[in-house]
Amino acid sequence: EDKVVQSPLSLVVHEGDTVTLNCSYEVTNFRSLLWYKQEKKAPTFLFMLTSSGIEKKSGRLSSILDKKELFSILNITATQTGDSAVYLCAVDLDKVIFGPGTSLSVIP
Amino acid sequence: DGGITQSPKYLFRKEGQNVTLSCEQNLNHDAMYWYRQDPGQGLRLIYYSQIVNDFQKGDIAEGYSVSREKKESFPLTVTSAQKNPTAFYLCASSGTRNTGELFFGEGSRLTVL
Repeated sequence: EDKVVQSPLSLVVHEGDTVTLNCSYEVTNFRSLLWYKQEKKAPTFLFMLTSSGIEKKSGRLSSILDKKELFSILNITATQTGDSAVYLCAVDLDKVIFGPGTSLSVIP
Repeated sequence: DGGITQSPKYLFRKEGQNVTLSCEQNLNHDAMYWYRQDPGQGLRLIYYSQIVNDFQKGDIAEGYSVSREKKESFPLTVTSAQKNPTAFYLCASSGTRNTGELFFGEGSRLTVL
């Protein structure tokens, strides 16, 4: 059965800290791995990763994929309260399935 | 503006009633999805459709039904057979199969009384 696992499930940090969120997967027919941020309702797209070892960056966020070990990490440096959200990892097969998410709380 | 519209945003129903959630997109996307989200959990796939007049079951299809008669529309019916229907429902679409990026609607929150 196709599966996406995320850890930790929840995390509380102080502003300015750096966090690493983990995503591992066991799937057939892998096409890409996706990261989303969900604050209230609709998730918003962060990154799509298809190749191993190539880091994608957007401001303080970065992500990398390891297709051999079947995992990805999402890094957030110098966290701010506005980073508080649920971070969802998803894998695109012939459908898109999600992990349980990591709930990040950034406190001042 | 292009996007995905879900309606209604909030819906209450009594036990034993069917209810249909609407999802319309004007992005000209081929693929459309329905997910369910329970408090503190991720998104679970109910049904998906990659082309008009075709759809497949996701991981939790029991108690739900869909249709895809038009490219822009993918309504979800929550039937009385769904034992625990109270949840937040998200519709999404994606364009070319190369991207994988999903575009989401604002969601519909269903409460069964």
